[in-house]
Amino acid sequence: EVQLLQSGGGLAQPGGSLRLSCAASGYFFSSYAMSWVRQAPGKGLEWVSGISGSGESTYYAEFVKGRFTISSDKSKSTVYLQMNSLRAEDTAVYYCAKDRIFGVEGAFDIWGQGTVVTVSS
Amino acid sequence: DIQMTQSPSAMSASVGDTVTITCRASQDISNYLAWLQQKPGKVPKRLISAASSLQSGVPSRFSGSGSGTEFTLTISSLQPEDFATYYCLQHKTFPRTFGQGTKVEVK
Repeated sequence: EVQLLQSGGGLAQPGGSLRLSCAASGYFFSSYAMSWVRQAPGKGLEWVSGISGSGESTYYAEFVKGRFTISSDKSKSTVYLQMNSLRAEDTAVYYCAKDRIFGVEGAFDIWGQGTVVTVSS
Repeated sequence: DIQMTQSPSAMSASVGDTVTITCRASQDISNYLAWLQQKPGKVPKRLISAASSLQSGVPSRFSGSGSGTEFTLTISSLQPEDFATYYCLQHKTFPRTFGQGTKVEVK
């Protein structure tokens, strides 16, 4: 079964840090990219960051550039999102989602279960 | 960055109605478009890939069309379980971008 299992998240103070993990199983990890998507309370879906299957290429939304870092460990089929300098507006449910590298299929067909990040003093 | 403009933002409909949601891309994205459904407190679910390919297991009352910059999601004969929020998503380029969402509510 293809699945993404998320861990991490929780409560952080403004200016603090958290790390999210997303462990993939059931497919060839390096053949697909991975994206992080978030959803603030009562708001829509917002793309945050992405990484190629090789881990060599990374992409960020402007609002997290310089604060968040995406990385991957192919030996563990796991993608990480290191979140530093957290702000109240980063409060959201964060999802990882399988993304595509080649072709039009394979994008956002599998999602993690979501993890809550709350930034508050 | 590619902007995705989705309309309407909300709509009221009855069981049995046909519902149409539109997404417009700010530049040509070919068919690199997906439609997602999200119910409150749940993980988003992909309904349509490649603009018009129905995900396995998704009822045939859902259909997608379009290419380039104009896309449509149609739900024929709306069922009670279809009341949800729908999003379009372009994955032609990074950054990926979502439409603002369309909440389909009970009339």
